[in-house]
Amino acid sequence: AQKITQTQPGMFVQEKEAVTLDCTYDTSDQSYGLFWYKQPSSGEMIFLIYQGSYDEQNATEGRYSLNFQKARKSANLVISASQLGDSAMYFCAMREANFGNEKLTFGTGTRLTIIP
Amino acid sequence: NAGVTQTPKFRILKIGQSMTLQCTQDMNHNYMYWYRQDPGMGLKLIYYSVGAGITDKGEVPNGYNVSRSTTEDFPLRLELAAPSQTSVYFCASRIVPSFNEQFFGPGTRLTVL
Repeated sequence: AQKITQTQPGMFVQEKEAVTLDCTYDTSDQSYGLFWYKQPSSGEMIFLIYQGSYDEQNATEGRYSLNFQKARKSANLVISASQLGDSAMYFCAMREANFGNEKLTFGTGTRLTIIP
Repeated sequence: NAGVTQTPKFRILKIGQSMTLQCTQDMNHNYMYWYRQDPGMGLKLIYYSVGAGITDKGEVPNGYNVSRSTTEDFPLRLELAAPSQTSVYFCASRIVPSFNEQFFGPGTRLTVL
């Protein structure tokens, strides 16, 4: 079974609109972390936001927020007021730690294109 | 700080050749990671290390070896390269337990022909 599922291979959004990128995850651990990374066409991986499984508040970082719904095992990324520079691949990832054995799993990504 | 640096940036190997991908970080991070990213896919964890002298397998370790003799360096060795190892390789690091963010290197694009 896929640990991280990103169901939107590609999205097109008008500039200045908000966009939600979907991510669902599967784990039996109680303690885990969820991440979103951005990968522009230049190829580097840019950390955007982190949510811990015990965090009660949804994480926010500037224009990025993570809509964490634990019971539904979903961790959607919301980008407000999208900009042309937001065009990139976006990856959701999960870290599980079990007796010091780290397991990091990435989804297959969503390609976001911002239309002027 | 230079952050996480990787060399080389690009490399073409023939089938059966060997090479070492270098990774160095100057942030005194204890955890380091190697990932591969196949075209159109997410990253898959190859190996990771929680400190000098300690390494462990990730999801796709076959065909690779690692060592961690210092905090700064975490080289990835490919023995007997195969076309299936054509990929982009990323090294990353983080400091535990203070921060959750992984800092990534720029990647090495490897082609095996």
